[in-house]
Amino acid sequence: DVKVTQSSRYLVKRTGEKVFLECVQDMDHENMFWYRQDPGLGLRLIYFSYDVKMKEKGDIPEGYSVSREKKERFSLILESASTNQTSMYLCASSPGTGGKQFFGPGTRLTVL
Amino acid sequence: EDQVTQSPEALRLQEGESSSLNCSYTVSGLRGLFWYRQDPGKGPEFLFTLYSAGEEKEKERLKATLTKKESFLHITAPKPEDSATYLCAVQAVEDSNYQLIWGAGTKLIIKP
Repeated sequence: DVKVTQSSRYLVKRTGEKVFLECVQDMDHENMFWYRQDPGLGLRLIYFSYDVKMKEKGDIPEGYSVSREKKERFSLILESASTNQTSMYLCASSPGTGGKQFFGPGTRLTVL
Repeated sequence: EDQVTQSPEALRLQEGESSSLNCSYTVSGLRGLFWYRQDPGKGPEFLFTLYSAGEEKEKERLKATLTKKESFLHITAPKPEDSATYLCAVQAVEDSNYQLIWGAGTKLIIKP
């Protein structure tokens, strides 16, 4: 069974802290994505990666960075967390250029 | 500007009461339209892909249809376990092969 796992389900951090969210997929997919999901808004793409060490900005990259050192792992980094980054963060992977993506369970991040 | 709008925001039905969810989109060229289901506290789960007007896909009590401007997700004789948020996303021809444009979702509640 296809599986995407995320390092934490819930996370509480303080303003200014550096935050790492990790995502691992076991399907050998080339593409990986980080989204944030807020009430009343659709999923918004933060960054995606189509290959190891390759990354592309999505719609809302400001305040975030990513790292993909291995094919199965994609990390999202909040360099200095702010309260407006309180959100649900979803990681996904896909095997090709189509829109069928496989999602992890999400990390609900609260920044105080 | 490419966008996806889902309606209604929320829909409450009695068990067995059939209805439809709407996803309208504006893109200059449609590469594909995707339906996902999201249960509370979980990531979205892929349901269907539609590529061209007139296409239909079915899965159990769900049927997705596509026209040139919108898609419908028809739910026939729903059961309480069909309660979830249903998300629609489109992939536009002119966008990168990886990016999806997401609607905000319709929250479906089926009462026994």
